Amino acid sequence: AQSVTQLGSHVSVSEGALVLLRCNYSSSVPPYLFWYVQYPNQGLQLLLKYTTGATLVKGINGFEAEFKKSETSFHLTKPSAHMSDAAEYFCAVSGPMKTSYDKVIFGPGTSLSVIP
Amino acid sequence: ETGVTQSPTHLIKTRGQQVTLRCSSQSGHNTVSWYQQALGQGPQFIFQYYREEENGRGNFPPRFSGLQFPNYSSELNVNALELDDSALYLCASSPSAARGQYFGPGTRLTVL
Repeated sequence: AQSVTQLGSHVSVSEGALVLLRCNYSSSVPPYLFWYVQYPNQGLQLLLKYTTGATLVKGINGFEAEFKKSETSFHLTKPSAHMSDAAEYFCAVSGPMKTSYDKVIFGPGTSLSVIP
Repeated sequence: ETGVTQSPTHLIKTRGQQVTLRCSSQSGHNTVSWYQQALGQGPQFIFQYYREEENGRGNFPPRFSGLQFPNYSSELNVNALELDDSALYLCASSPSAARGQYFGPGTRLTVL
């Protein structure tokens, strides 16, 4: 069964500092991997995704993530944090489909705080 | 891609009542999924519909049911509400698994 773990339920960084949010997954086959962001009282917004091809994936708002199969990891990074990055971040895994549906499994989330 | 809407935004019900939540997916997105997100947790998969038929379900009891309509709208119905059903309910639509899911803003359900 697929599962997702996110190390650190809360991460604080200074404005301008590197953002690193960790995600590890367990899956018997290479999965599809996603990062979503959720601002207070809003739905989830897709930041970036990995399906096939290049393992370094660039997303919106300057975020990127690297798929490392040997480490079963998909960590999210951003070189320089901005105050507007403060939000909840979810790593998620799905597929490739051995069933008829694309059930998405979410991690528990990491709350990012940016300190001025 | 955006454009998934949900109604209502907020809802308050009492234990034992029934509720219907609605979602309007983006045109062309044949798959719609529903998630329950309790406070401080990640979304939990309830079920998924593909071309108007349920084709996957998470660990939720049968009192959680749904419908998907040809016009890309869908419903989540919950019968016999319990206090633990209080949560944010998210609808997500997708054109395909590899393209990810696009979420609506959610409906905040409070059960008293």
